[in-house]
Amino acid sequence: DGGITQSPKYLFRKEGQNVTLSCEQNLNHDAMYWYRQDPGQGLRLIYYSQIVNDFQKGDIAEGYSVSREKKESFPLTVTSAQKNPTAFYLCASSSMDRYYEQYFGPGTRLTVT
Amino acid sequence: KQEVTQIPAALSVPEGENLVLNCSFTDSAIYNLQWFRQDPGKGLTSLLLIQSSQREQTSGRLNASLDKSSGRSTLYIAASQPGDSATYLCAVSYSNYQLIWGAGTKLIIKP
Repeated sequence: DGGITQSPKYLFRKEGQNVTLSCEQNLNHDAMYWYRQDPGQGLRLIYYSQIVNDFQKGDIAEGYSVSREKKESFPLTVTSAQKNPTAFYLCASSSMDRYYEQYFGPGTRLTVT
Repeated sequence: KQEVTQIPAALSVPEGENLVLNCSFTDSAIYNLQWFRQDPGKGLTSLLLIQSSQREQTSGRLNASLDKSSGRSTLYIAASQPGDSATYLCAVSYSNYQLIWGAGTKLIIKP
């Protein structure tokens, strides 16, 4: 079955620690995205990548970092510089020409205390 | 600034009722508009995609309309069922390669 996987589903960290969220897709999509979702707000774009070894900042990139070493993988690191990291994180992918048809993973809920 | 607003934020109706969810956008130069469904603690699933040249799209009991001139879209759900309970999000795409998202409407269908 083709799809997107995110792991873990729940993640707990202490303040001051960096944490990496995993995202893998087997849809052969070139583009991948990371979103943050907070209660009462729409999805906000953190980073996106259209090709291996290249990525662009979204609207709220501060305190986050990404890498795209393989087409299938787009991990997100939440650094200690992120002021309010507790949120639900969603990864998505799409083909290049139909960027709006995004397929989503199940999400990772990160809690930082 | 490109913004998308969804009203109401939450809606609770008895099973069997027809209902309408609303989405408005500030910049009418859209490429297309989508409605997504999100179950609690899960990812999103696309329900309907309306291209800027279209007026509506239908899938089963769902019908989405688009009025670019007024900056509005509606999602009509006929004969609602408890399984329709979820959060419904509207997303608008422009030519700048990004989706602009509404905050969603949380729908509860009471048996």
